Amino acid sequence: LAKTTQPISMDSYEGQEVNITCSHNNIATNDYITWYQQFPSQGPRFIIQGYKTKVTNEVASLFIPADRKSSTLSLPRVSLSDTAVYYCLVGPNYGNNRLAFGKGNQVVVIP
Amino acid sequence: NAGVTQTPKFQVLKTGQSMTLQCAQDMNHNSMYWYRQDPGMGLRLIYYSASEGTTDKGEVPNGYNVSRLNKREFSLRLESAAPSQTSVYFCASRNLRDQLNTEAFFGQGTRLTVV
Repeated sequence: LAKTTQPISMDSYEGQEVNITCSHNNIATNDYITWYQQFPSQGPRFIIQGYKTKVTNEVASLFIPADRKSSTLSLPRVSLSDTAVYYCLVGPNYGNNRLAFGKGNQVVVIP
Repeated sequence: NAGVTQTPKFQVLKTGQSMTLQCAQDMNHNSMYWYRQDPGMGLRLIYYSASEGTTDKGEVPNGYNVSRLNKREFSLRLESAAPSQTSVYFCASRNLRDQLNTEAFFGQGTRLTVV
């Protein structure tokens, strides 16, 4: 899997938009970009996945520039319940079956 | 629909004891995974199984063995538990296919303490 780099932690105020970045300079042509969210004492939960440009669902948006060497997860108007660890994963959806998580990005939402 | 079920949820072992962590999924997924998570750390892959009958080592396989019993079940065995294996263990499953949204589903975790 392509190696990813994320900030270790970040704080945000309630009601703001939060943008979480991930660098993946050696992303391969067949790789997808996937984000997971993990609350304390729970397993990670899938948020969003994309290949290029922009993907939006009911939870978040994922922005991927043309060179695909980075991506940004955007959470609109965060609430205290969005405090969690966010993981960025890069890899193919077939073939290499490893699903390796890094340390993720701890996001703390402040009242 | 139960998703991914792990048993037990909590366990205390003495050093040297053995035990098996059980994981079962009811989503007909082909791939299953075992992770451990230590305080302040992300998830580290122990073993995974691409399909029934196959298993492969992950990042931290030492001290563990796995069995893909059938398509539904993937167990993790500690033959001789050590305090360094105190951790929260997560099982996950997914179906690999060449399209978007091949999300992995996780169990609720097993909190293991080795004393």
